[in-house]
Amino acid sequence: GENVEQHPSTLSVQEGDSAVIKCTYSDSASNYFPWYKQELGKGPQLIIDIRSNVGEKKDQRIAVTLNKTAKHFSLHITETQPEDSAVYFCAASLWNNDMRFGAGTRLTVKP
Amino acid sequence: KAGVTQTPRYLIKTRGQQVTLSCSPISGHRSVSWYQQTPGQGLQFLFEYFSETQRNKGNFPGRFSGRQFSNSRSEMNVSTLELGDSALYLCASSPVGGGGTGELFFGEGSRLTVL
Repeated sequence: GENVEQHPSTLSVQEGDSAVIKCTYSDSASNYFPWYKQELGKGPQLIIDIRSNVGEKKDQRIAVTLNKTAKHFSLHITETQPEDSAVYFCAASLWNNDMRFGAGTRLTVKP
Repeated sequence: KAGVTQTPRYLIKTRGQQVTLSCSPISGHRSVSWYQQTPGQGLQFLFEYFSETQRNKGNFPGRFSGRQFSNSRSEMNVSTLELGDSALYLCASSPVGGGGTGELFFGEGSRLTVL
């Protein structure tokens, strides 16, 4: 099955700086790559996603890039704010809704 | 629209017992997935159901089982509980079913503690 690796496991940045989280996947047939944010005591929530026919997608301060050849994708958060502090998960999914997640990155934004 | 509802939210069991967790998906969603979340292990995929059929399965022992009812509600069962089964069990529903992938909508989870 699909295997997703995520780095780093923890990330600490100053407010206003950028944060980058990277993931690799193993199954070249995966075609959907979402990113989820999990706040304390809550379930993960989708923040951005990208499909295999697109190389980059941006939504305000958040962007995701995908390199299908290298089988890796990244999350970029610019102008970080304290409320961005949370655990972020990347995931890769096959066409049949079999979605596998990375181990997560705990992001801390220091004011 | 109501979100994904999981019950119970918290439960404590002892080794050897069994447990059943329940998940009510968002109305109209026919796909339900279950994940186990533990510190350092992220979200481990258990199984996915669509139209009462298990469509995908992760690498968990047979002690972990599930089912889906005709109204799309789902249950998962863990028999002969072990200490290592202590975790947050998350259920997620999706509007995508017959083919293709889409957003998962997660519940807040059922936190299981095995003593």
